[in-house]
Amino acid sequence: NFMLTQPHSVSESPGKTVTISCTGSSGSIASNYVQWYQQRPGSAPTTVIYEDNQRPSGVPDRFSGSIDSSSNSASLTISGLKTEDEADYYCQSYDSSNHVFGTGTKVTVL
Amino acid sequence: QLQLQESGPGLVKPSETLSLTCTVSGGSISSSSYYWGWIRQPPGKGLEWIGSIYYSGSTYYNPSLKSRVTISVDTSKNQFSLKLSSVTAADTAVYYCARLVPTVNWFDPWGQGTLVTVSS
Repeated sequence: NFMLTQPHSVSESPGKTVTISCTGSSGSIASNYVQWYQQRPGSAPTTVIYEDNQRPSGVPDRFSGSIDSSSNSASLTISGLKTEDEADYYCQSYDSSNHVFGTGTKVTVL
Repeated sequence: QLQLQESGPGLVKPSETLSLTCTVSGGSISSSSYYWGWIRQPPGKGLEWIGSIYYSGSTYYNPSLKSRVTISVDTSKNQFSLKLSSVTAADTAVYYCARLVPTVNWFDPWGQGTLVTVSS
């Protein structure tokens, strides 16, 4: 079964940059698009990145996404970290008629 | 602006069937461009895709849940529904419905979610 593994947590100070990885267990992560969702406590997930590196309208350009085929991973980078960015982040992709979510990463803004 | 709203019982007894409905507003569930999906999240845990449906009734499910899941659509009411049979405490979760953009396999937007607890 295809799985997406993320670090359990990352933390950084306001104004700094954090990068969250999302590593595929098999195959090529570049074969299907990767999305990233932000989930604040008690709220539904919302999209911060879709189609590997596209931002929905309203999402600040501090959020960016990328794919690294050599490590079979996707990454979400948040620059100029703000306290409002503190949340859980999930990557999501698709494999063999199965939609798969990453294990999730808690971002703490110190 | 498209909105989705889950509804259904918040408490289900073990071995019974969980039933939820998602009502879509601000857009048509019969759009040929989208699928519709159910995702769940146990308390304190991650997200798990349950299954998806097209307005025609075509479905596909998470293999780990396939034997217990039925998703259906009612285009006249702009709704789609989830049934999960033989539930146990492990099925306690917040259940979300969402629109699925099939060309990129992207879930957006999501409903607010509804907590379903399995307990006697």
